[in-house]
Order: sequence, then structure tokens, then C-alpha cells
Amino acid sequence: QKEVEQNSGPLSVPEGAIASLNCTYSDRGSQSFFWYRQYSGKSPELIMFIYSNGDKEDGRFTAQLNKASQYVSLLIRDSQPSDSATYLCADTDTGSARQLTFGSGTQLTVLP
Amino acid sequence: DVKVTQSSRYLVKRTGEKVFLECVQDMDHENMFWYRQDPGLGLRLIYFSYDVKMKEKGDIPEGYSVSREKKERFSLILESASTNQTSMYLCASTAGTASGANVLTFGAGSRLTVL
Repeated sequence: QKEVEQNSGPLSVPEGAIASLNCTYSDRGSQSFFWYRQYSGKSPELIMFIYSNGDKEDGRFTAQLNKASQYVSLLIRDSQPSDSATYLCADTDTGSARQLTFGSGTQLTVLP
Repeated sequence: DVKVTQSSRYLVKRTGEKVFLECVQDMDHENMFWYRQDPGLGLRLIYFSYDVKMKEKGDIPEGYSVSREKKERFSLILESASTNQTSMYLCASTAGTASGANVLTFGAGSRLTVL
């Protein structure tokens, strides 16, 4: 059975620091990887997705994918207290959300 | 913006009751999903639907059924609620196009407590 593993945390970083969130996946056939952010009591919302090895940047967020190591990460630069949330990693071995597998999430707290 | 609306944010039901969770999306999305979310277990797919009257089982369909009579509406049914179905239920939808088929838009969630 496919697995996506994340350190549940909590991960605490000071405001302005870089937060590094990590995710490993078991299916070598996985093609697409997603990071969702979920504030307490709210529903998940997509932050980024990545398909290719290497880095993908969007503002303060950078997703990194290493398919050889089956590892995907999310870096948050200049962390803000508003970044405090649970971050969910997900993958799929097709282009479809029907086969998305989610990790259990990492809780991030950014300390003022 | 795509809007996915779940009819009930909080429900309290008794063991054995029939429970309906309703979800409506307003962007003409082909695909709709029901997940449950439990601490430490992440999101688990219960059922999904890729067209009206079409449905497929997800990873944990036992104890649940679904209905999709109209494109915009996807209902989750607990025929006889049990305490182990106490959870947060999330509805989501995606477009049918290749570029949009893998980006989920979630509803606000329905927190169900079964006593």
C-alpha cells in the first residue's frame, strides 16, 4: 500500500527563520506532489505542486523534489506567525486526484 | 473562486441513526470526493464520483454510501452511524481537464460526533 510519511511535529521556528517541512513517499511511480496548508479548524488549501526533480519557487515557498531519494520538501522563507498551520504532503502516480495519497501532516508553529 | 459548500458544520447523532452529509460545488466540476480526517491518520478517501450517477470506492468505503444525482451535488450517507465514524468529513472537487484534475478544492468540513 502506498505511503506518504511526514514528521507530525510540532515543528517550531522563530519568526523570520526558514521552516523546512519534509515528506517521503513509498511509490516510485509517483509523478505529482502537492503541499496543502490547513489552518486549525479549516479545510486544506493548495500551496504548491511539483512534478519535476529540483526546486520550484513561489514567493516565500520553495518545493524541492528528489525522485531518486523519494523525498519532497517545502521550505518557507522569512516565516511569519500567519504560517502557523498543519502542512499536508500528497502524491499521485497518475495525473488524477482520484489516486492522491496524503501524509498525516506536520504541525508548524512560528513563534513571534 | 470555486466554492464547495458543505451543508452542516457540526452534527451530533446517535448510534444507529442515518446521517446525510451534503456537498455542493458551483464550478461545474466533474469530480467530487469525500474524505474523512482523523488525528494522526491524515486524509483518507471514502468515495469519489467522476460523473452524475457514477461512483467509485476509495480506501475506506465500509459503512458509507454516496449519491450523485446532479453534477453539482454529492452526498455522503451513513446508513447506521457508529461511534467509530466520529470524524471530520471533507468534501472536495476538481475539474475534469488534465490540468485541473489533480488540484482539490475543499469544503469547510463537517464535524460529526456519534454518541
